[in-house]
Amino acid sequence: GAGVSQSPRYKVTKRGQDVALRCDPISGHVSLYWYRQALGQGPEFLTYFNYEAQQDKSGLPNDRFSAERPEGSISTLTIQRTEQRDSAMYRCASSLAPGLASTAQETQYFGPGTRLLVL
Amino acid sequence: AQTVTQSQPEMSVQEAETVTLSCTYDTSESDYYLFWYKQPPSRQMILVIRQEAYKQQNATENRFSVNFQKAAKSFSLKISDSQLGDAAMYFCAYRAFFSGNQFYFGTGTSLTVIP
Repeated sequence: GAGVSQSPRYKVTKRGQDVALRCDPISGHVSLYWYRQALGQGPEFLTYFNYEAQQDKSGLPNDRFSAERPEGSISTLTIQRTEQRDSAMYRCASSLAPGLASTAQETQYFGPGTRLLVL
Repeated sequence: AQTVTQSQPEMSVQEAETVTLSCTYDTSESDYYLFWYKQPPSRQMILVIRQEAYKQQNATENRFSVNFQKAAKSFSLKISDSQLGDAAMYFCAYRAFFSGNQFYFGTGTSLTVIP
């Protein structure tokens, strides 16, 4: 596709349930990022991948959160035993190349996000 | 840890006028990137402009330009000839040059354009 896509766009779940959020980056993009964004706030970094390797997961709030990108393309962010405080917009972004790269290669393209509501 | 501060939660500008959005950041690194992103009501994040810290020349992109003051750790965005479509939330962001791809975002400035 032309841009980063995320699914589902909206997810309502009950406390204690597991959820899986999917991100489909722009084809050929090496780097993939996950962010959490509260209403009226800037994106908060969660984790990122280069190809299939998870390079940094320091932003994951706790061990209920995990992410994978097994084939270096689509990524899944999983939240186990959801809690009400997990409610937020979860955003995915991709970029063509990591690290020392040109402006075009390093620019992040954001997806529309998944709005998660935990009841 | 790096922090990015946007001290103006809301700004407004008359259509066709110029507005400047402020951003300051804190870092101990010497090389890094700074960005301005725009988030319209559709909630997509759109890259507006990027500045490399090692470049002295301020970045420009059509009606958008930055005033990068490295010593002061300041990175303001100037929007000239403001248009109705510029109305959005604007986020300043920082990324270190060497120490990974983690981005740090400010809390955002909501820009209203008055017709």
